[in-house]
Amino acid sequence: SQTIHQWPATLVQPVGSPLSLECTVEGTSNPNLYWYRQAAGRGLQLLFYSVGIGQISSEVPQNLSASRPQDRQFILSSKKLLLSDSGFYLCAWSRGQGRYEQYFGPGTRLTVT
Amino acid sequence: KQEVTQIPAALSVPEGENLVLNCSFTDSAIYNLQWFRQDPGKGLTSLLLIQSSQREQTSGRLNASLDKSSGRSTLYIAASQPGDSATYLCAVEGAGGGNKLTFGTGTQLKVEL
Repeated sequence: SQTIHQWPATLVQPVGSPLSLECTVEGTSNPNLYWYRQAAGRGLQLLFYSVGIGQISSEVPQNLSASRPQDRQFILSSKKLLLSDSGFYLCAWSRGQGRYEQYFGPGTRLTVT
Repeated sequence: KQEVTQIPAALSVPEGENLVLNCSFTDSAIYNLQWFRQDPGKGLTSLLLIQSSQREQTSGRLNASLDKSSGRSTLYIAASQPGDSATYLCAVEGAGGGNKLTFGTGTQLKVEL
């Protein structure tokens, strides 16, 4: 069976500090990978998605970046956090487009102070 | 640009009631529609996936329908239980590729004893 892991579960960081959130998937190969953000009182917003190693598509201009150094590893980063980066970050995977469900990780709660 | 709306935003029902959650979307060019459940502070759990060629899907006490031409989906929950209390989200995968989902803002359901 497939599982998706995210860490850390919670993070409190000062404004201007760097960020690195990690997501890994087990039990499948060549998954599509996604980063979403859920801000307080707002819906889920797709930030980045990747269909393969080194292939990253950005959905919205922002202070964040993503990388996929290995097939089942997806990393969300920032060089300098802003207050507006606070939120609940969710990683997801799917087998592809059209017929496949997306499966979500447990999320990381980020608070920028 | 795809927009997904869910009505009502919140719903409170007594245990045992059958209930319907609504989801509408503006662009009918979709691959599929997916219903999720989110418990407070947690990630999303996939409930049902309906392909664009399908009219409905069932899983246990849940039944989801899709009318692609009118841009509507409903999630029917039979014999509701307190454990069904959660936020329910619908999401559509557009035909633009990448298996990207556009989410609604959710319906917060409370089932009372």
